[in-house]
Amino acid sequence: DGGITQSPKYLFRKEGQNVTLSCEQNLNHDAMYWYRQDPGQGLRLIYYSQIVNDFQKGDIAEGYSVSREKKESFPLTVTSAQKNPTAFYLCASSSGTSGRARTDTQYFGPGTRLTVL
Amino acid sequence: AQSVAQPEDQVNVAEGNPLTVKCTYSVSGNPYLFWYVQYPNRGLQFLLKYITGDNLVKGSYGFEAEFNKSQTSFHLKKPSALVSDSALYFCAVRVPGGGYNKLIFGAGTRLAVHP
Repeated sequence: DGGITQSPKYLFRKEGQNVTLSCEQNLNHDAMYWYRQDPGQGLRLIYYSQIVNDFQKGDIAEGYSVSREKKESFPLTVTSAQKNPTAFYLCASSSGTSGRARTDTQYFGPGTRLTVL
Repeated sequence: AQSVAQPEDQVNVAEGNPLTVKCTYSVSGNPYLFWYVQYPNRGLQFLLKYITGDNLVKGSYGFEAEFNKSQTSFHLKKPSALVSDSALYFCAVRVPGGGYNKLIFGAGTRLAVHP
């Protein structure tokens, strides 16, 4: 978990609320990712960013939004449009995505558990 | 379609015995393969990866994995299991090509090591 922090550790959301999950890294990595983990389903990619001010949808982007204004930060907003947001959310980073960096390891933060009340 | 399969939901092993956690993959081209471990309510920790070269890869905490191209497998192994190895293990494959470092994860295998 070293080098990537996520906050809060636990988050509770009421119906109709937007909530924002924080992800910060001090690894000087260019690429950052958001995954959702549900029991028995492994991890699914929500959004990724290869560089500041650029991000792309992953496999399950509906109901989520992101921003990448700084290299170190990649916050995820879970909007009221996300119908089933209760899950464990994991942020990851890697040094890059192209050339030799394609083989680089993704390192993960400690996660945020979101529960809808 | 690109995919990763972990055929066992749970593996039980006695402490001190060897352990194997299985992983098979289906991708076009040469795969890059990864193993991660997750302890309860924690993020994923990187164990090891195969990119190219020797088929036997050694990683953290005494784990190793063997890449078998003909069987499209990348099984995780440890010669002597510890109770502290009990956790959730994920195999992942990087999809070759494309513009970003996409990983496809298996569903995970829960390892239980009994004293």
